[in-house]
Amino acid sequence: DAGVTQSPTHLIKTRGQQVTLRCSPKSGHDTVSWYQQALGQGPQFIFQYYEEEERQRGNFPDRFSGHQFPNYSSELNVNALLLGDSALYLCASTHGGPYEQYFGPGTRLTVT
Amino acid sequence: QKEVEQNSGPLSVPEGAIASLNCTYSDRVSQSFFWYRQYSGKSPELIMSIYSNGDKEDGRFTAQLNKASQYVSLLIRDSQPSDSATYLCAVNSPSSNTGKLIFGQGTTLQVKP
Repeated sequence: DAGVTQSPTHLIKTRGQQVTLRCSPKSGHDTVSWYQQALGQGPQFIFQYYEEEERQRGNFPDRFSGHQFPNYSSELNVNALLLGDSALYLCASTHGGPYEQYFGPGTRLTVT
Repeated sequence: QKEVEQNSGPLSVPEGAIASLNCTYSDRVSQSFFWYRQYSGKSPELIMSIYSNGDKEDGRFTAQLNKASQYVSLLIRDSQPSDSATYLCAVNSPSSNTGKLIFGQGTTLQVKP
């Protein structure tokens, strides 16, 4: 049973650039959430996708956008990167509503 | 006041002891509560979920929920050095039923041999 997968594992970008992160949910899951985790902090909710639509969004600027594909995989896009965007980006999947969420290995983004 | 609060630690316990990790949350209508374990440099791993008042046991782990006190805890019995990690408490946001999780900042546990 494949778990949540994310790519790439690590990424280094320069301020002002754009980045796309990818996530494939656990088998049988149809809902994908994205979180940002700064060093020493708990994950912060960015947004959630269900049925190819953004269902809920956290307190993140419009520079953060996403997409969900018919196979339930998802992308997170960040435009105009800032130094403060350096963090671990986590994708979590679940089936349906407020149930257990399973995280992928994360993408470590460094903005220089 | 933070929505989910945890003592950042570190909490240090000797091998074989019981480790007690605590979490409080601000919104009393929260319904779902989760404990994640995160090793350094890794992603969070779900270890316990609890939805009703009382205790829920799974192996060496026991989650305790008291909704009246807005308090959830995790007990780890017979602590092992491999339990050394950061433990994250997460609460399902009551503002929706979409499963948005609100996390505490985590408690670092050190189990000393």
